[in-house]
Amino acid sequence: GAVVSQHPSWVICKSGTSVKIECRSLDFQATTMFWYRQFPKQSLMLMATSNEGSKATYEQGVEKDKFLINHASLTLSTLTVTSAHPEDSSFYICSANHGGDSYEQYFGPGTRLTVT
Amino acid sequence: GQNIDQPTEMTATEGAIVQINCTYQTSGFNGLFWYQQHAGEAPTFLSYNVLDGLEEKGRFSSFLSRSKGYSYLLLKELQMKDSASYLCAVMDSNYQLIWGAGTKLIIKP
Repeated sequence: GAVVSQHPSWVICKSGTSVKIECRSLDFQATTMFWYRQFPKQSLMLMATSNEGSKATYEQGVEKDKFLINHASLTLSTLTVTSAHPEDSSFYICSANHGGDSYEQYFGPGTRLTVT
Repeated sequence: GQNIDQPTEMTATEGAIVQINCTYQTSGFNGLFWYQQHAGEAPTFLSYNVLDGLEEKGRFSSFLSRSKGYSYLLLKELQMKDSASYLCAVMDSNYQLIWGAGTKLIIKP
């Protein structure tokens, strides 16, 4: 159990376009979802935390108008990278927590974004 | 500030034992996680420690000393597939995960 999926697994887009990444919890309801970014050979960097039905909480330095997060249901959160630029090329990973007494985060497989 | 330290890279031999250390300084503590991450893939959960002591799970064990701000991940009977990065993460008082930079483990035959 506790499977998280992401779509797409990889995407190439042109500079200036927008890209939407979906994160779904397949067999549980995720009270909280997290979005991370990871550059090559670096650790995970938390971008934002989102709770279903409320606005996401962004980490310092992350532009909320550029990285739009929507958590419309307990099983789906989306991250939209607006007006993407080459420096936004990265590995984007979502994770979900189903609450209760468990703080374990279940990670999606990640989305490799390349902006040309 | 909050800080997680772990070695950048370690090398070990197939069949041997390796210990990956992690020291932390965080605002509050609500548990320490170890994750395994293969290149190009998302992290996968290995262990969670919130009380002092050793937690054993098959070939992997994780130890925690809260008074020393220290943990280690012990891998026994190393296999080639254990070559990966191992991430230490601490949950702070706000229940937010603070991540270490990861330790790249290289297994040699």
